[in-house]
Amino acid sequence: AQKITQTQPGMFVQEKEAVTLDCTYDTSDPSYGLFWYKQPSSGEMIFLIYQGSYDQQNATEGRYSLNFQKARKSANLVISASQLGDSAMYFCAMVQNNFNKFYFGSGTKLNVKP
Amino acid sequence: DTAVSQTPKYLVTQMGNDKSIKCEQNLGHDTMYWYKQDSKKFLKIMFSYNNKELIINETVPNRFSPKSPDKAHLNLHINSLELGDSAVYFCASSPYGGQAYEQYFGPGTRLTVT
Repeated sequence: AQKITQTQPGMFVQEKEAVTLDCTYDTSDPSYGLFWYKQPSSGEMIFLIYQGSYDQQNATEGRYSLNFQKARKSANLVISASQLGDSAMYFCAMVQNNFNKFYFGSGTKLNVKP
Repeated sequence: DTAVSQTPKYLVTQMGNDKSIKCEQNLGHDTMYWYKQDSKKFLKIMFSYNNKELIINETVPNRFSPKSPDKAHLNLHINSLELGDSAVYFCASSPYGGQAYEQYFGPGTRLTVT
């Protein structure tokens, strides 16, 4: 069963605008963590933001924020003021504590247009 | 200082050969992982080791054998390479347990089997 679903294989956004990348997850474990990673064309995986299942507030890291809606099991990434350097693949991931195992979504390719 | 390093970065070899990819982390983490990223960018966990012990072994052919000589190293040996093994292989590490922590990824090894 798919644990992490990213329904947007590709997206375009105009430079300086905000963009939301969707992610839904599936777990019955009450304790879990949600992550977003960026993979530019150079190939490395870059950690962006983390949200714990018990965190009361949405996580924010600079221009990145995670819109965590626990009842809907969604963890969307919001990038504000997009920059050309934001063009990359973005992966949503979840870890379940019992197994310390990470599940990754299929990724969303974001293109920022000048 | 590189947190998670992998060697080699590129590996081109012929079908039937045996090859190894090395991974080292200097973060003091207890858990290390191997992931395979296919041509469609899908990232799938292969193995996970905690303190040199195998804790996750996904459905991976027996031709793949991880070896962890100590908790800072997790090598991946592949026997009788096949065309379908062509992919980017990522090593990662994380602290073990707790609410879940980010994984730190190596730069990846692009394996091409001809």
